[in-house]
Amino acid sequence: TQLLEQSPQFLSIQEGENLTVYCNSSSVFSSLQWYRQEPGEGPVLLVTVVTGGEVKKLKRLTFQFGDARKDSSLHITAAQPGDTGLYLCAVSSNTGKLIFGQGTTLQVKP
Amino acid sequence: DAGVTQSPTHLIKTRGQQVTLRCSPKSGHDTVSWYQQALGQGPQFIFQYYEEEERQRGNFPDRFSGHQFPNYSSELNVNALLLGDSALYLCASSLPAGGSEQYFGPGTRLTVT
Repeated sequence: TQLLEQSPQFLSIQEGENLTVYCNSSSVFSSLQWYRQEPGEGPVLLVTVVTGGEVKKLKRLTFQFGDARKDSSLHITAAQPGDTGLYLCAVSSNTGKLIFGQGTTLQVKP
Repeated sequence: DAGVTQSPTHLIKTRGQQVTLRCSPKSGHDTVSWYQQALGQGPQFIFQYYEEEERQRGNFPDRFSGHQFPNYSSELNVNALLLGDSALYLCASSLPAGGSEQYFGPGTRLTVT
């Protein structure tokens, strides 16, 4: 069983639409990270959320950490083709080992 | 300032062979972690090296081994390759403290036929 369950696994939308990606777990975490990975590249850190209920914004991307620190969501407003990629949530152990969800593949069509 | 670099970018091997992948960390980083990523999936932690020692290991068989050199660069070796070892192998570097941001290289795409 996956520690972090992401949904949906695949999303194909038209440019300009809004979308939300979810990352759920039954465990409580001190922090949670979101990464984006483009084809041929490694994952790049987008944001780290730390406090329950925290909301962080990065341009058209809005990240929220659940009140109980067990889940998180990523909302994209007015998606662009440049948002296409694999979105990964992850948690870090105290030694720096990252545990990833299985990812959400997003395709934004012009 | 060069980021994390990996070589080669692509590699094709035959089942049963051995392979060595290489990683140079970001300048100033001394901790290197290796991950395996199947197509369309999240990366899976293989192991982490710090001060030339394996500090932590994920759920991978002994066929997977590694090494870290005094200049902090690292190698990942896989023996007796299986078809299921086909994946993108990612290297990430960081500072040793837990919670430090990990910077990923572009990966090596290994295909086992």
